[in-house]
Amino acid sequence: DAKTTQPNSMESNEEEPVHLPCNHSTISGTDYIHWYRQLPSQGPEYVIHGLTSNVNNRMASLAIAEDRKSSTLILHRATLRDAAVYYCGPHNYGGSQGNLIFGKGTKLSVKP
Amino acid sequence: NAGVTQTPKFRVLKTGQSMTLLCAQDMNHEYMYWYRQDPGMGLRLIHYSVGEGTTAKGEVPDGYNVSRLKKQNFLLGLESAAPSQTSVYFCASTRTGGYTEAFFGQGTRLTVV
Repeated sequence: DAKTTQPNSMESNEEEPVHLPCNHSTISGTDYIHWYRQLPSQGPEYVIHGLTSNVNNRMASLAIAEDRKSSTLILHRATLRDAAVYYCGPHNYGGSQGNLIFGKGTKLSVKP
Repeated sequence: NAGVTQTPKFRVLKTGQSMTLLCAQDMNHEYMYWYRQDPGMGLRLIHYSVGEGTTAKGEVPDGYNVSRLKKQNFLLGLESAAPSQTSVYFCASTRTGGYTEAFFGQGTRLTVV
């Protein structure tokens, strides 16, 4: 199984960009890279995912290293509502495999 | 459209008691997962299923059993609860594994005394 590591915490100022790193050095060729976030007292919610190319959606951007051993979640302008714990992990898309195992998460604090 | 629903939301058990947590999804998803969340430990995968009638072990399967008799339901059982199983449990489902996003339930807070 892939081992995924993330910094325990990060701080940002409101309206500034935030770059959240994730290392997944043992990722396999059939793993997508997934990101979720969890607000206090809620279940995790999907943010973004990708395989090899950088991805953008309305919430964030995902930059994937060329060797796929690391990725970075980019919040272009942090808001107070972005304060949450962010989890990343490889998620296999093939056949009998399909486990989604996360890193321990990065707690993002956003200062006004 | 309810998404992923977990039952119950809260439960207190005595050591040695048994219980079953129910996860139900109405999105016709193939893959379902059970996680536990403890302070400082993030989300740890207990068991998962890649389709009706199938189950597989995750990172921390000891002390738990699961069943997926119907595609829409994934049951997590504790045969003899221990204080170490005090945790918040989350269920999730995805349509086709890593191709698509996972949807999570709101969690079950379990306390074993």
